[in-house]
Amino acid sequence: GAVVSQHPSRVICKSGTSVKIECRSLDFQATTMFWYRQFPKQSLMLMATSNEGSKATYEQGVEKDKFLINHASLTLSTLTVTSAHPEDSSFYICSARRLAGASTDTQYFGPGTRLTVL
Amino acid sequence: GESVGLHLPTLSVQEGDNSIINCAYSNSASDYFIWYKQESGKGPQFIIDIRSNMDKRQGQRVTVLLNKTVKHLSLQIAATQPGDSAVYFCAENTLNSGNTPLVFGKGTRLSVIA
Repeated sequence: GAVVSQHPSRVICKSGTSVKIECRSLDFQATTMFWYRQFPKQSLMLMATSNEGSKATYEQGVEKDKFLINHASLTLSTLTVTSAHPEDSSFYICSARRLAGASTDTQYFGPGTRLTVL
Repeated sequence: GESVGLHLPTLSVQEGDNSIINCAYSNSASDYFIWYKQESGKGPQFIIDIRSNMDKRQGQRVTVLLNKTVKHLSLQIAATQPGDSAVYFCAENTLNSGNTPLVFGKGTRLSVIA
């Protein structure tokens, strides 16, 4: 099956600092990657859609200047949480969709990154 | 639309019994559905999918049923095991949808009682 990795798996940072999270598709090329945020005991909330080589599309209410997304290649997307605050503490999950030509549009998910802002 | 701020319903099942997890979807244009399993502290894991031209699909110990008339999806787990304890999400999409993301349901927490 398709494998998506995330790094780091856990990060603790001080308020006001920036944190970068990497998402990689290890054995397939992904035209599109998605970034989700998940609070405890809740469902996944889509933050943005990231397309290789173009600007990300953000969901309503998600600040693009705070959550910087870069999708520089078909296997790597990064999410940078800038000037992080305690309310940004959450579980961040990326997912990747294969290139067109796959029989389905299945999204494969990374293992998630637990961000704690002190 | 996206599930926002909803607490997860819980289903408790005795080990060895069958589990049935239900999901209602809202978009009648959706033609592709997926069930994901999410264990604590991990990302969602693909379980099984089904297209709208099917009513039923079976995997290993799991069966997905689709009722398009009432826009209802269910996941049946046979002989539930402690390792099945997790949160289960249904997701919907439209095939050949380009860049549109999956839309997730609110999820159901399955607790298996040994």
